[in-house]
Amino acid sequence: EVQLVESGGGLVQPGGSLRLSCAASGFTFSSYWMSWVRQAPGKGLEWVANIKQDGSEKYYVDSVKGRFTISRDNAKNSLYLQMNSLRAEDTAVYYCARWFGEIGFDPWGQGTLVTVSS
Amino acid sequence: SYELTQPPSVSVSPGQTARITCSGDALPKQYAYWYQQKPGQAPVLVIYKDSERPSGIPERFSGSSSGTTVTLTISGVQAEDEADYYCQSADSSGTYQVFGTGTKVTVL
Repeated sequence: EVQLVESGGGLVQPGGSLRLSCAASGFTFSSYWMSWVRQAPGKGLEWVANIKQDGSEKYYVDSVKGRFTISRDNAKNSLYLQMNSLRAEDTAVYYCARWFGEIGFDPWGQGTLVTVSS
Repeated sequence: SYELTQPPSVSVSPGQTARITCSGDALPKQYAYWYQQKPGQAPVLVIYKDSERPSGIPERFSGSSSGTTVTLTISGVQAEDEADYYCQSADSSGTYQVFGTGTKVTVL
């Protein structure tokens, strides 16, 4: 069974940092682009970042460029999101998702909540 | 930045047909995808490549495309279809992904 499990969310002060992790299983992790998508409380979905199979290409939504870094460790079947200089508007549930260009985001993890507040 | 526009809400009686539109300038060049999200749950892919249905998704879900608008159609709506629905596509370069504004489907 294909499964994605996020961890690392929590409460952080504005300006702080947090690192999210996503553990993948049930598929050949190194063969797929991977992504982070977030959803602020009561709001819609927002794509955050994509990373290519070997990590050589990374793309970000404008609002997180220079603050967030997506990375992966194919040996550990894991995806990461390093979030620095966090702002209140970064408060959201962060989902890890497998991305395949002609299939879309599928599947998704259960999400991890990040709350940025003093 | 690129945007995909959806109606905020659609209401439909059980057994009727719900249609949700999604408009964006790059849709003639980029595939569209649709996701269903129920309260407290992660989104689930229901349509890919404009009109393809993943395995396990009921046949009552279908997708179509015409110019700058794509449409998700739910035929014979059931109570369990009450959820938020999001379209998703890429900008004209194909590099940056974008989600639509979301549509809440209410089954009366």
